Amino acid sequence: ELKVEQNPLFLSMQEGKNYTIYCNYSTTSDRLYWYRQDPGKSLESLFVLLSNGAVKQEGRLMASLDTKARLSTLHITAAVHDLSATYFCAVVSGGATNKLIFGTGTLLAVQP
Amino acid sequence: EPEVTQTPSHQVTQMGQEVILRCVPISNHLYFYWYRQILGQKVEFLVSFYNNEISEKSEIFDDQFSVERPDGSNFTLKIRSTKLEDSAMYFCASSAGTVGTQYFGPGTRLLVL
Repeated sequence: ELKVEQNPLFLSMQEGKNYTIYCNYSTTSDRLYWYRQDPGKSLESLFVLLSNGAVKQEGRLMASLDTKARLSTLHITAAVHDLSATYFCAVVSGGATNKLIFGTGTLLAVQP
Repeated sequence: EPEVTQTPSHQVTQMGQEVILRCVPISNHLYFYWYRQILGQKVEFLVSFYNNEISEKSEIFDDQFSVERPDGSNFTLKIRSTKLEDSAMYFCASSAGTVGTQYFGPGTRLLVL
């Protein structure tokens, strides 16, 4: 059974600082997603990572994937308050469907 | 930009009552999903639906749950006899194919009293 773990669960950081969120998963998968969720809101797709060594960047966020280590990272550069949200990684489980197994989420609070 | 919509945004119901949550997926998508998120917890897969039938369901999706695509646009989740532990945010999602990104709706917050 595929398990997805994220750490840290909670991250408080100051504006301008850099930090990394980690996502580990237990079995082979061919796709990994990062989603953002604002309080009480839906899930916004940020990145999809398809292959080993894939790196995607959007603004201050950069995601990477190491399929051999079964590890993805979401790196935040020079954080700003607007990035405060919960970030989830989600891994596609094998089988006939596109079922997503979500990580526990990382609540990011960027302090001015 | 096309988006997934869900109604109602909030629903309060008494334990034992039936509820129907409605979703309108993105129009050219073929794969539909329901997930739920209990307050403060991670998002959990409930069911996937393709070609008018369930393609996969989780252990959570027991006999009290059912899904239907009654017409060409709506996708519904029915809970026949709600329990307190069904209180959660329910998200509908759709994708164009099995390898496509899933786009999530805004969710329905269900509270069972």
